[in-house]
Amino acid sequence: EVQLLESGGGLAQPGGSLRLSCAASGFTFSTYAMSWVRQAPGKGLEWVSFISGSGGNTYYVDSVKGRFTISRDNSKNTLYLQMNSLRAEDTAVYFCARDSSVSYPDYWGQGTLVTVSS
Amino acid sequence: EIVLTQSPATLSLSPGERATLSCRASQSVSSSLGWYQQKPGQAPRLLIYAASNRATGIPARFSGSGSGTDFTLTISSLEPEDFAVYYCQQRSLWPRTFGRGTKVEIK
Repeated sequence: EVQLLESGGGLAQPGGSLRLSCAASGFTFSTYAMSWVRQAPGKGLEWVSFISGSGGNTYYVDSVKGRFTISRDNSKNTLYLQMNSLRAEDTAVYFCARDSSVSYPDYWGQGTLVTVSS
Repeated sequence: EIVLTQSPATLSLSPGERATLSCRASQSVSSSLGWYQQKPGQAPRLLIYAASNRATGIPARFSGSGSGTDFTLTISSLEPEDFAVYYCQQRSLWPRTFGRGTKVEIK
């Protein structure tokens, strides 16, 4: 059974940092691209970042470029999102998601809440 | 970036009725569009990929159509569990983008 379990969310001050993790199981992690998608409270979905299975290709939404870094450790079956210079508008539930073989997120974690506030 | 406009914002229907949801892209995305369902407190669920292909385990009452800039998600006969928010998402160009969603509520 495919499982994705996010952790690392919590309260951060503006300008602060957090690192999110997503532990994957039930599939061959290294062969799947992964994404982070966020959802601000009461709002819609926003795709944040993507990483290929090897980690060699990454993409970001413009609003997080230069502040967030996506990475993965295929030996640990874990996806990461390093978030620096956090802003109030980064407050959201962050989901990790597996890209299916046809490149659409087919499995999602339950999300971890990040709150940026002083 | 490609902007996806979903309409209507809210659809009020009764169980058994047909639901038709629209997603329009600001430029052509070919067939690179997916549809997701999200219920309160839950993660999204992939329903349709590549505009018209049902994902694994998705009931046949869900269907997708369209290409280029205009897409439709149809639920042929609403079941009680179908009342939720539906999002379209394009993967034609980076960054991937989602529409703002259509809420299907019980009338």
